[in-house]
Amino acid sequence: EAGVAQSPRYKIIEKRQSVAFWCNPISGHATLYWYQQILGQGPKLLIQFQNNGVVDDSQLPKDRFSAERLKGVDSTLKIQPAKLEDSAVYLCASSLLRSPSGANVLTFGAGSRLTVL
Amino acid sequence: LAKTTQPISMDSYEGQEVNITCSHNNIATNDYITWYQQFPSQGPRFIIQGYKTKVTNEVASLFIPADRKSSTLSLPRVSLSDTAVYYCLVGVPGAGSYQLTFGKGTKLSVIP
Repeated sequence: EAGVAQSPRYKIIEKRQSVAFWCNPISGHATLYWYQQILGQGPKLLIQFQNNGVVDDSQLPKDRFSAERLKGVDSTLKIQPAKLEDSAVYLCASSLLRSPSGANVLTFGAGSRLTVL
Repeated sequence: LAKTTQPISMDSYEGQEVNITCSHNNIATNDYITWYQQFPSQGPRFIIQGYKTKVTNEVASLFIPADRKSSTLSLPRVSLSDTAVYYCLVGVPGAGSYQLTFGKGTKLSVIP
């Protein structure tokens, strides 16, 4: 099966500019996640969608970050305006709502690396 | 959310068995334990998942004692390509809010 697709792979912007990342999950996966991974740290969950509804966005900096998942498939994550500390890899992951085993396994994309100058 | 504690780094020679232990003292009854592997410039990749006792697949084994307060990922006969960061996570599967919390992970370096 095709994996989780993300674009762009790399983006360099200046602070106060805006940027958008796109994610196409695995077909049939109801749940979609956006993670932020700063160099040297583990991924941090920003937002979780189930179909096209938000399940958890408690760690999303809502003053500058926004995300949507129209029609419950593709998703976009936007940052406006960007700050220096937003430099990170933005990872998208998807999962089945419930696997046959009862457990939940995330499949990650390769990520989008953002550098804010 | 259950918090996990792992060693920051480990070194191993090629061909050896590597065991990485993760502590999760406040694991909840319904939590599963999942391990992910991450190579540089890639997203994390699922390795193995378990609830209790022992789980084995083609790449690793996962040992979970009866109290489930810790778990051990075992990688048999590691090679240079196993050099990566390994994350231990606990979480509740299924509908509703399901947040997987990644810690700092364990950086495994395999030495020739």
